[in-house]
Amino acid sequence: QQQVKQSPQSLIVQKGGISIINCAYENTAFDYFPWYQQFPGKGPALLIAIRPDVSEKKEGRFTISFNKSAKQFSLHIMDSQPGDSATYFCAASSDNTDKLIFGTGTRLQVFP
Amino acid sequence: DGGITQSPKYLFRKEGQNVTLSCEQNLNHDAMYWYRQDPGQGLRLIYYSQIVNDFQKGDIAEGYSVSREKKESFPLTVTSAQKNPTAFYLCASSVAGIYNQPQHFGDGTRLSIL
Repeated sequence: QQQVKQSPQSLIVQKGGISIINCAYENTAFDYFPWYQQFPGKGPALLIAIRPDVSEKKEGRFTISFNKSAKQFSLHIMDSQPGDSATYFCAASSDNTDKLIFGTGTRLQVFP
Repeated sequence: DGGITQSPKYLFRKEGQNVTLSCEQNLNHDAMYWYRQDPGQGLRLIYYSQIVNDFQKGDIAEGYSVSREKKESFPLTVTSAQKNPTAFYLCASSVAGIYNQPQHFGDGTRLSIL
């Protein structure tokens, strides 16, 4: 019940295309859903986060879509660029803890 | 610049040896975390601490130990009891007591077996 399932494991997209990464969870107590971006040899960095009181949050080319009834959320990267090539992790936590539960990661490669 | 410093960047361990990974932060954060990252398994929580002189086990604490004597420092010891220590270790910190705060990560230590 504590798991966050992430797919796909890897994704190849052409420059200018849309990258979509999906995550699903079971624990209905989760109420914070961040996405982290990690470049090789570096630590993850917070990209964007959402709470379940909204269905979508957009920051530049990055959008989180959230479906509370389906217990799913996804990251959309519009106009994908080679510089977006990285590993992306979704995560979740509940309001009574500082602990994050991470998905298994998606390696995105954007080719020019 | 505020941030998290992990050292060393690469570390090699001999059989039966304990090794200690350093994590220092100057973000004035109360909460600190250690994660282990393996290919295809995401980040798994080893230990976390929300205040000085207190820490809790995460999901995979066996074979590891930590201390939190100073707010800025949260070293992780990989003991000889950890039979599969080869991994990328990440330290993070966050504001404590206000939930759903972002975690800030260091750039990791890659541990390998000699």
